[in-house]
Amino acid sequence: GAGVSQSPSNKVTEKGKDVELRCDPISGHTALYWYRQRLGQGLEFLIYFQGNSAPDKSGLPSDRFSAERTGESVSTLTIQRTQQEDSAVYLCASSFQLNTEAFFGQGTRLTVV
Amino acid sequence: EDQVTQSPEALRLQEGESSSLNCSYTVSGLRGLFWYRQDPGKGPEFLFTLYSAGEEKEKERLKATLTKKESFLHITAPKPEDSATYLCAVQAGDYKLSFGAGTTVTVRA
Repeated sequence: GAGVSQSPSNKVTEKGKDVELRCDPISGHTALYWYRQRLGQGLEFLIYFQGNSAPDKSGLPSDRFSAERTGESVSTLTIQRTQQEDSAVYLCASSFQLNTEAFFGQGTRLTVV
Repeated sequence: EDQVTQSPEALRLQEGESSSLNCSYTVSGLRGLFWYRQDPGKGPEFLFTLYSAGEEKEKERLKATLTKKESFLHITAPKPEDSATYLCAVQAGDYKLSFGAGTTVTVRA
């Protein structure tokens, strides 16, 4: 596609439910990042994938968070047993390689009620 | 730990009033410094990449420069459509992008 696509654009969920967020990277991009942006705050690194290498999961805030990516295609970020503090915009970005500019999607706004 | 500090937090400019935004960083082994623009409710939009001290990049009314400790984003003769939050990010050896908190620029007509 022309850009990074994320779905859904908005998600409202009840506390305790699981949610799955999807990211379609730019075709040919080997690296994929997930970030979280709380209201009025900066971007917080969660995880990145590079090709078939083991992902860097060092930013995941708890074991309720997990992410998968198959090859250089779609990635899903899963949050289990959601809490109100998980409410944020979740941003995905992809880049041709790890050391080149990353292009962001529009984000998924998650609201936990 | 990599640190990125942006200043000022907010900047209000009159149309045509040039100014500069600062991004100071502490990082071990800089691979690249990136500038992004973010409009409300949208994802960051890529502007520039700088890789080494002394490098400069320009795009329309924006010019980014890099030293060993900081980067500047100069806005020349801004227009209202330049109003946005400008984000700076550094990439070090671990390839993670560490972002600053951003500078929110408001340009009044």
